[in-house]
Amino acid sequence: EAGVVQSPRYKIIEKKQPVAFWCNPISGHNTLYWYRQNLGQGPELLIRYENEEAVDDSQLPKDRFSAERLKGVDSTLKIQPAELGDSAVYLCASSFGSEAFFGQGTRLTVV
Amino acid sequence: GQQLNQSPQSMFIQEGEDVSMNCTSSSIFNTWLWYKQEPGEGPVLLIALYKAGELTSNGRLTAQFGITRKDSFLNISASIPSDVGIYFCAGVSGGSNYKLTFGKGTLLTVNP
Repeated sequence: EAGVVQSPRYKIIEKKQPVAFWCNPISGHNTLYWYRQNLGQGPELLIRYENEEAVDDSQLPKDRFSAERLKGVDSTLKIQPAELGDSAVYLCASSFGSEAFFGQGTRLTVV
Repeated sequence: GQQLNQSPQSMFIQEGEDVSMNCTSSSIFNTWLWYKQEPGEGPVLLIALYKAGELTSNGRLTAQFGITRKDSFLNISASIPSDVGIYFCAGVSGGSNYKLTFGKGTLLTVNP
């Protein structure tokens, strides 16, 4: 069974440029999460979806971050414009119950 | 908000030694999860705990859900070099306010 798939694996952009990350969750998992992980820290939730509904986006910086999961499967996380402080690993995870399974992440570097 | 205190922050041990790490919280959790993360990879789920007092093993790994539901520990027996990585605990609070909160991780280094 395929795990959570994320792309790209790495992205380097200049500040003020837009960037987008894509996630394909495990088949049948109705819950999808986007986390941000800074160096030396644990993952921190940005947004959680139940099917196509964003049920917890309280930690998403809405002035520059947006996310969508239109058909309740794949999801895209966008940053526009990116700032230097956005450099981090962006992790997507999915679950059917309490156990969340993570993708490999996208390492974003903003220069 | 909920906070998890994970300790120790890092460990440097010799191959063959046993390892213990733990997480404590000011809040009650319904589920405890333990993950391992290697460089350049996402966290991989090792063990899930669902009931207070539950003791679960996965090979050389053993984890327990604390009786108070505010803590959990992970033990690794007879460590080997491939155990190297960052171990994260995560607590799940359920119901309509579902939330998965991570500790800051324990960096484990195993000296062959």
